[in-house]
Amino acid sequence: DAGVIQSPRHEVTEMGQEVTLRCKPISGHNSLFWYRQTMMRGLELLIYFNNNVPIDDSGMPEDRFSAKMPNASFSTLKIQPSEPRDSAVYFCASSQGQDYGYTFGSGTRLTVV
Amino acid sequence: DQQVKQNSPSLSVQEGRISILNCDYTNSMFDYFLWYKKYPAEGPTFLISISSIKDKNEDGRFTVFLNKSAKHLSLHIVPSQPGDSAVYFCAASAGAGAQKLVFGQGTRLTINP
Repeated sequence: DAGVIQSPRHEVTEMGQEVTLRCKPISGHNSLFWYRQTMMRGLELLIYFNNNVPIDDSGMPEDRFSAKMPNASFSTLKIQPSEPRDSAVYFCASSQGQDYGYTFGSGTRLTVV
Repeated sequence: DQQVKQNSPSLSVQEGRISILNCDYTNSMFDYFLWYKKYPAEGPTFLISISSIKDKNEDGRFTVFLNKSAKHLSLHIVPSQPGDSAVYFCAASAGAGAQKLVFGQGTRLTINP
C-alpha cells in the first residue's frame, strides 16, 4: 500500500488565489481527517469525514475553507480566497478505527505571498 | 483553548540515556491517548497508545505512563538512540469509538552522540 497520498507537496500562491489540496486515503480506511500544522498551534483538526460524510467541521477557520469527499478514495480541501495567514503545512490522515491510530500523508506545504 | 499541552518545545538528551517527554491535558472526557513521531518533511507516524483503564503501556524501548488524577502522561524512551531525534506529538480523544484526535504543539527531541 502506498499510504496516504497528498498533492501537491508544495504550493506557492498569491494572496486572493484559490488553492486546492488533494488527498487519497488508504484503501479500506473509513475515516479521513484534514489537519493544519503551525508553529504556534501545533496540529489543528480542520474537518473529518466518516464514510465520506463530514462529521465535524468546527475546526474550519472560516467560510474561505471548504472540504469535500466525493468518494471513499478522494478528498479535497479548498481555500478561496487564500490569505498569507493560511501559510502552513496541511496534513491529510486516514484511519480504520480508534485503536489503530491515524496514518498521515507527507503533507502539503502552502505558502501564500 | 489548548486542551492538550506539551510545555517543552525542545529537549536534548545524550545517546543511551532516558528521554522523558511530557504532556498535560485539561479535558476529563479524554480516555484514549497516543504519541506520534514526526521527521522533517514527513507526516507524523503512530508510535504508542494507552487507554484510560491502564496506567502504563510498553512497546520495546517506548513506555507511556498515564496519571489520570494529574491529567498527565509521559513518554519514556530507553535507551535513546540518534534515530529517535524527531518531533513528538501527544494526542487525545474522548468517548468510545471516537476518532477525533486533539494534538499538542509537539516537542522536538534531539539525541546527542
